[in-house]
This record gives sequence, C-alpha cells and structure tokens, in this order.
Amino acid sequence: NAGVTQTPKFQVLKTGQSMTLQCAQDMNHEYMSWYRQDPGMGLRLIHYSVGAGITDQGEVPNGYNVSRSTTEDFPLRLLSAAPSQTSVYFCASSYSRDRDNSPLHFGNGTRLTVT
Amino acid sequence: KQEVTQIPAALSVPEGENLVLNCSFTDSAIYNLQWFRQDPGKGLTSLLLIQSSQREQTSGRLNASLDKSSGRSTLYIAASQPGDSATYLCAVKGGGNQFYFGTGTSLTVIP
Repeated sequence: NAGVTQTPKFQVLKTGQSMTLQCAQDMNHEYMSWYRQDPGMGLRLIHYSVGAGITDQGEVPNGYNVSRSTTEDFPLRLLSAAPSQTSVYFCASSYSRDRDNSPLHFGNGTRLTVT
Repeated sequence: KQEVTQIPAALSVPEGENLVLNCSFTDSAIYNLQWFRQDPGKGLTSLLLIQSSQREQTSGRLNASLDKSSGRSTLYIAASQPGDSATYLCAVKGGGNQFYFGTGTSLTVIP
C-alpha cells in the first residue's frame, strides 16, 4: 500500500516558469488537499477537493491551480512561479464520509525553490 | 476562523522524562483532533486521532486527551527517548472538511 505519493521530491524553478506537482493516493479517499509549509507559518491550505470534478480554494490559493479528474490524482499547477512560492508542499488525503474517524494521510513533500 | 496554538514552540528534556505537549483551539465545533509527528525533511506521520465524542486515545507510550469545552488537547509522552526527537503538530478538523494546524512543538530528548 503506497499511501500518498508526491513527485518530484525536489524542484528548482526560475521566476516565471510553470510546473505541476503530482499527487496520487491509492486509498480511495474522497478528500485530497494541498498545503504549503513555511518556517514560522505552519501548514497553510492551498486548494482541496472532496471528490472527482470538485475543487475549492483554501487559505492561500493565488498563483496555484488544481483539477481532480480522477479519485486517485490531484495535481497542483504553478502558473508562473514567483520567489514567494519557495516552500515545501504537502499533499494529504482522507475519507470524507466518516467525518469523525478519518485521519489525514500525508505524502513526503516536494521542496520547491524559485530563483 | 479556527485558530490552533501550540505552546511551547520548543522543548528540551533529558531522556526518561515524562512530558506533556499542549494544543489549544478557539472553536469547539470540531469533528476530531489529530496529533502528528514530523521529522526534519519528512512528511507528517499521524500518531493519534481523537474523535469529538472521545476524551482520550492511547498508543504505546503516547496518550492524547481532548477537552472540547475548553478547547484544549494534550499529548503525553511517557519515558521519553532520543528517538522521540521531532516536531509534533496538532490539527483539528472543522466543517467543510477543513483542517487547521498548529505551528508545532519542536522536541529534543537529550541522551
């Protein structure tokens, strides 16, 4: 059971470049989400999805796009990278039907540097 | 908006000591509270989940409690070991499938 898989692990971009961070889960979770983690700021929600074809914005959505065409995959797109997007990005998933007993499962993260 | 606070930000203890990590939240309307461990450069690993109807959960040397009415949770670690050194984060699950995280407590256990 692979759980939540994120690729790549590391990425360096130049300002203005675009890229897609990949996230896949094999637990049939309805809920998937993207966070960024910055020193002293904790984890901040970028976008989330409660099922295929449904996405919504989190706390810091600007500069990022998502789509959810399948239950398994939830890619995060950076449209035009900026130095402020230098961060560690985490994908997480859980069941959403059983609201009280659904732990959040995390991937190992993608460390992104924008120069 | 839900706010989650963890104090202290850092804690250093000698090996073998029992310790308590604190987590507080401002809105008691939560579905569950989860404690995570994060090692440097790694993702978050779930340690314990307490449902809103529960008061505590135990796993090995870890015990987590939840007091919804006061907006507090504690993570108790018994007989600490150097391998327990990590950052511990708490998160509450609110309405709309939103999870709210604290900024974590960085724990160092000194051999």
